[in-house]
Amino acid sequence: GNSVTQMEGPVTLSEEAFLTINCTYTATGYPSLFWYVQYPGEGLQLLLKATKADDKGSNKGFEATYRKETTSFHLEKGSVQVSDSAVYFCALKGRGGSYIPTFGRGTSLIVHP
Amino acid sequence: NAGVTQTPKFQVLKTGQSMTLQCAQDMNHNSMYWYRQDPGMGLRLIYYSASEGTTDKGEVPNGYNVSRLNKREFSLRLESAAPSQTSVYFCASSPTESQPQHFGDGTRLSIL
Repeated sequence: GNSVTQMEGPVTLSEEAFLTINCTYTATGYPSLFWYVQYPGEGLQLLLKATKADDKGSNKGFEATYRKETTSFHLEKGSVQVSDSAVYFCALKGRGGSYIPTFGRGTSLIVHP
Repeated sequence: NAGVTQTPKFQVLKTGQSMTLQCAQDMNHNSMYWYRQDPGMGLRLIYYSASEGTTDKGEVPNGYNVSRLNKREFSLRLESAAPSQTSVYFCASSPTESQPQHFGDGTRLSIL
């Protein structure tokens, strides 16, 4: 079956530092890939997505590139802010018959001033 | 701009009691989902409904039932609550099965 593996947290950074959160996946075919963000006490919100190989999703300074050859979708941001502190989830949806969503376990990001 | 609305937001039950968690979306989405979120476990899919009139089991369906009442509403029922069902429950919807999901703010359920 499909699976998503993301780095364990918490990731602790100082404001303006560079962020990378690793995500790798296992799936048949060509899944769609997503990053969601969850702020304390809230539900998940879509942060960005990519639907085919070499696509780059971007939003609010965050980026992730769909790498088919390495089955990866790493999340990056050049300069984090305190307001980026949240839990980040990598996820996929398969295609061609199995659209059941699969989520990673989440990575907590803590940004200090 | 309601999106996905879940009720109640908080609930405390005693072991053996039953209750229904309600979810409604106003975005005319076809697909709806129920998840539970536990520390260190991420999100686990309980049941989903690809379209009105269909429901399917997810990863952890035991102890739960669902009803897709109409296109807008998808309820989750605990027939006989157990302490292991203490969790935060999220409802989500998506336009179609393949598209990203919109989540509600969750129901925090404690079972004593």
